Amino acid sequence: GDSVTQTEGLVTVTEGLPVKLNCTYQTTYLTIAFFWYVQYLNEAPQVLLKSSTDNKRTEHQGFHATLHKSSSSFHLQKSSAQLSDSALYYCALNYGSSGNKLIFGIGTLLSVKP
Amino acid sequence: GPKVLQIPSHQIIDMGQMVTLNCDPVSNHLYFYWYKQILGQQMEFLVNFYNGKVMEKSKLFKDQFSVERPDGSYFTLKIQPTALEDSAVYFCASSLEQGNSGNTLYFGEGSRLIVV
Repeated sequence: GDSVTQTEGLVTVTEGLPVKLNCTYQTTYLTIAFFWYVQYLNEAPQVLLKSSTDNKRTEHQGFHATLHKSSSSFHLQKSSAQLSDSALYYCALNYGSSGNKLIFGIGTLLSVKP
Repeated sequence: GPKVLQIPSHQIIDMGQMVTLNCDPVSNHLYFYWYKQILGQQMEFLVNFYNGKVMEKSKLFKDQFSVERPDGSYFTLKIQPTALEDSAVYFCASSLEQGNSGNTLYFGEGSRLIVV
């Protein structure tokens, strides 16, 4: 079946160091777009990045991700983690004939330490 | 950014009783969604809704579930009767459009339902 896999449940990184959150997917559907959502403590999930173009880098708020259909991946990266980046990060894909049905990964909790 | 409000944020209810979860979507949005997240698991699609009708629902959307948005008021998810396995966080979302453009869904903070 269709799925999104985030292999790390928790990623801990020191402030100022690079961080990478992994996301791979499996789908038999015509996939429309890929998203990274971020959920800060006691807040709603909000979109961080979105992409539908293969091999094109997408950037926002210092984070970047590139969709690689050849490896079914959409990893999230940042060159220098900040304390304020500590949050839960969800990878999701949008699929289906009616659109806007998201399949989510289980989420990766990013903890940035001083 | 656009805000989706959910009421209540938390509710504890006895098994077998009815519960209504309320969602105030982004004001100009036309498409509405409910997602369910059981503790420790990913968010899963329940249903989407447009122009007064359910467009699509998943197998998680049991017969005990219903949604409506009467006269542009709250978009509601009603569960009647509730079961223990309905305990979860329910996220409401809305979007301006749908279709093949991969439009962004805006989520609320979730309503945590505990059925005892």
